[in-house]
Amino acid sequence: QVQLQESGPGLVKPSQTLSLTCTVSGGSISSGSYYWSWIRQPAGKGLEWIGRIHSSGSTNYNPSLKGRVTISVDTSKSQFSLKLNSVTAADTAVYYCARGGAMVAPFDYWGQGILVTVSS
Amino acid sequence: DIQMTQSPSSLSASVGDSVTITCRPSQSISTFLNWFQQKPGKAPKLLISAVSSLQSGVPSRFSGSASGTDFTLTISSLQPEDFATYYCQQSYNIPWTFGQGTKVEIK
Repeated sequence: QVQLQESGPGLVKPSQTLSLTCTVSGGSISSGSYYWSWIRQPAGKGLEWIGRIHSSGSTNYNPSLKGRVTISVDTSKSQFSLKLNSVTAADTAVYYCARGGAMVAPFDYWGQGILVTVSS
Repeated sequence: DIQMTQSPSSLSASVGDSVTITCRPSQSISTFLNWFQQKPGKAPKLLISAVSSLQSGVPSRFSGSASGTDFTLTISSLQPEDFATYYCQQSYNIPWTFGQGTKVEIK
């Protein structure tokens, strides 16, 4: 059973960089042709896909985030990470990591989510 | 981006009722349509992929279908544990996008 767990600071100051890590267990992050994604959800609102990475390192991002996003992978640690720079209050949300994000491979395993608040 | 419009935004129903949620994409997405269930404070759970493929462990009262440009999620006999918010999601074009959600509440 694949499990994902987000970790990182729960409070980030405006204009700084939000950094989160997702640790994958119960399966290799580099096995198969899976993508690994980040998705976020502001309180009381819907879901927004942030971006994805393949174990090869190939990435795709949501253009709505205007180039502020970087997703990386460390297969030796079975982790992938999210960096979102120049954050504002609008980036306050629950951030989820998930396996999936391909046409025929939807988001089938999710982390529990981590609340990140942007505030001074 | 492909916009996903769900209707209704919310509905009230009783245990045992049959409910239908509709999702309409802003352009053709072939069969790349998935449904998720989310309960308060929890991560979304994948229910159905590729329009109608039920995920392992998901009760058979959940079903998905397509008609014309619309996609539907049907819960045939609502159970207490089904009260939640449901999201559709397209996996046809990046950026992947979700509907705004349909909250199913107890009448």
